[in-house]
Amino acid sequence: SAVISQKPSRDICQRGTSLTIQCQVDSQVTMMFWYRQQPGQSLTLIATANQGSEATYESGFVIDKFPISRPNLTFSTLTVSNLSPEDSSIYLCSVLTPTTGARADTQYFGPGTRLTVL
Amino acid sequence: AQTVTQSQPEMSVQEAETVTLSCTYDTSENNYYLFWYKQPPSRQMILVIRQEAYKQQNATENRFSVNFQKAAKSFSLKISDSQLGDTAMYFCAFRRSRMDSSYKLIFGSGTRLLVRP
Repeated sequence: SAVISQKPSRDICQRGTSLTIQCQVDSQVTMMFWYRQQPGQSLTLIATANQGSEATYESGFVIDKFPISRPNLTFSTLTVSNLSPEDSSIYLCSVLTPTTGARADTQYFGPGTRLTVL
Repeated sequence: AQTVTQSQPEMSVQEAETVTLSCTYDTSENNYYLFWYKQPPSRQMILVIRQEAYKQQNATENRFSVNFQKAAKSFSLKISDSQLGDTAMYFCAFRRSRMDSSYKLIFGSGTRLLVRP
């Protein structure tokens, strides 16, 4: 499986500011995803990030609040803008493995970024 | 719309014993994938096991196995010889077949498993 890293691992931010989270993969992948996990909750997909095209956002998530970049096949960023305490969550990136092999078409996750907004 | 239900918020098991976590889902699709992920306190989401709906044989990965009942839309996880390191939150997840344009994972609410020494 791919090795995925995220920066920062955690941060505490003030209301009204923004935080950019980086996701780095050790191999080229076509599809990357950003999920949000609110405290005590399950994971919800924010958007799908494909290299060379605009990210595809899920219902309830908008580009102005969660801009995403995908400059190449190993890297993506998620920015959470105009922070409010309701944005306090764990943000996780994931990647989709290639379509062949025993673990084909499986998503693997990064270690997550814990964001606290004061 | 697809939904995933985990009806057991918390479970506990004695070390070395066997425990089964339940998951049901609702879909009108015929081809799809089902997954179990584990999230220990470190918050890293770790893939435990994967099942393709068109395969009748239940998936196994060492001490982990599933009971996949397609007609009943049930996908339970059995952990044998439980170890302290199995203590974690376990999430069941559904994904439509890759022939569809969406690779979205739909997660259940999770089951918190405590393995007692």
